Amino acid sequence: SQQGEEDPQALSIQEGENATMNCSYKTSINNLQWYRQNSGRGLVHLILIRSNEREKHSGRLRVTLDTSKKSSSLLITASRAADTASYFCATAGRSGTYKYIFGTGTRLKVLA
Amino acid sequence: SAVISQKPSRDICQRGTSLTIQCQVDSQVTMMFWYRQQPGQSLTLIATANQGSEATYESGFVIDKFPISRPNLTFSTLTVSNMSPEDSSIYLCSVVHRGHSGANVLTFGAGSRLTVL
Repeated sequence: SQQGEEDPQALSIQEGENATMNCSYKTSINNLQWYRQNSGRGLVHLILIRSNEREKHSGRLRVTLDTSKKSSSLLITASRAADTASYFCATAGRSGTYKYIFGTGTRLKVLA
Repeated sequence: SAVISQKPSRDICQRGTSLTIQCQVDSQVTMMFWYRQQPGQSLTLIATANQGSEATYESGFVIDKFPISRPNLTFSTLTVSNMSPEDSSIYLCSVVHRGHSGANVLTFGAGSRLTVL
């Protein structure tokens, strides 16, 4: 299977704490993206990091990428109850490809 | 980014029947994608719907089971044929567009949750 792995599978934290989730993938990538899914609905794009970048920030989100280890992490700082969702990483291979391989996902629960 | 309307949002179906899911995009797009998300699982690409030609199916998915139509650049349908309980999933329509960074990102419809009894 080409599917990436994410850990932890599930994470429960208190509001205000930071949440970290990790993604490992198997093939060479052009970029890696993180998506959020609320309650089995459609996915929403959060942030993208290119293969030549090591770290990227967007608001309370921080993404790192280590291409030598084929891994990425997503950090959500100062979490809120509204951050409760499933988070998926997705990788795209060579430039121009439209086939995205999604990771197994992390279910995050933020307790108020 | 595009806005995608997908329907039905959910349905309960009987074994052996077929159901067609519709996906409408508010702008013209070259490619539309259909994904399946089985309960508690990640997303798996079923096929790419191309306008004016047959859909391109991924390994493990066949046209007889998942026929797809793409009559124009804003609309596509996915039919789940001869359903069995194993077809109970969320089916998601998506399109690709240029994100802020200039790279391709996906926009998804809200999904169609099918339960097959």
